[in-house]
Amino acid sequence: QTVVTQEPSVSVSPGGTVTITCALNSDSVSTSHFPSWFQQTPGQTPRTLIHSATTRSSGVPDRFSGSIVENKAALTITGAQADDECDYYCALYMGPGIRWRFGGGTKLTVL
Amino acid sequence: EVQLVESGGGLVHPGGSLRLSCAASKFSFSSFSMNWVRQVPGRGLEWISFISSTSAMASYADSVQGRFTVSRDNTENKLYLQMNSLRVEDTAVYYCAREGTWITFGGQGTLVTVSS
Repeated sequence: QTVVTQEPSVSVSPGGTVTITCALNSDSVSTSHFPSWFQQTPGQTPRTLIHSATTRSSGVPDRFSGSIVENKAALTITGAQADDECDYYCALYMGPGIRWRFGGGTKLTVL
Repeated sequence: EVQLVESGGGLVHPGGSLRLSCAASKFSFSSFSMNWVRQVPGRGLEWISFISSTSAMASYADSVQGRFTVSRDNTENKLYLQMNSLRVEDTAVYYCAREGTWITFGGQGTLVTVSS
């Protein structure tokens, strides 16, 4: 079965840089998976930060960036702020059948 | 701004049924494919169903295949999820989401609790 893997938790100091990755157990992540990244604070709806691997959604600060590095999708936060502390999910497009697979989520701590 | 309002959740016994609705506004609903995504409280996101803009295509996650049916009414700008033979493990917040080349959530979701 296809599994999408993220780091369960990461931490960063205020003002620091952190990268969260999104990997497939059965393949390399590429642009054909249209990698997306979502931010979710407790009790809230997921918000799209990045889509199509590198495109920032409207209104998203430019400290959030997306890339594909070493066969994984990556979300990098540069200049982390306290209110960036929440959960982050990636999603990969898998094709006409099982359309999307989400990663298990990464809990970001800013300390 | 995409606006999606999910409704129809509630408490149901195992084996029971529910029909979820999603009312769409502020975009051309009939032009977009739609998805249902669920989230067990405190856990991750799980894609469960897709329907194309014209209803010509639909697909389901293995976990709900044969029990859930997605449909839509483009005249009413509504998406539906008929859920039958519900199980305890179907307990989750259910979100509808618009699909372009990416998924966009737009509502607060509706909570389905399956419990005896």
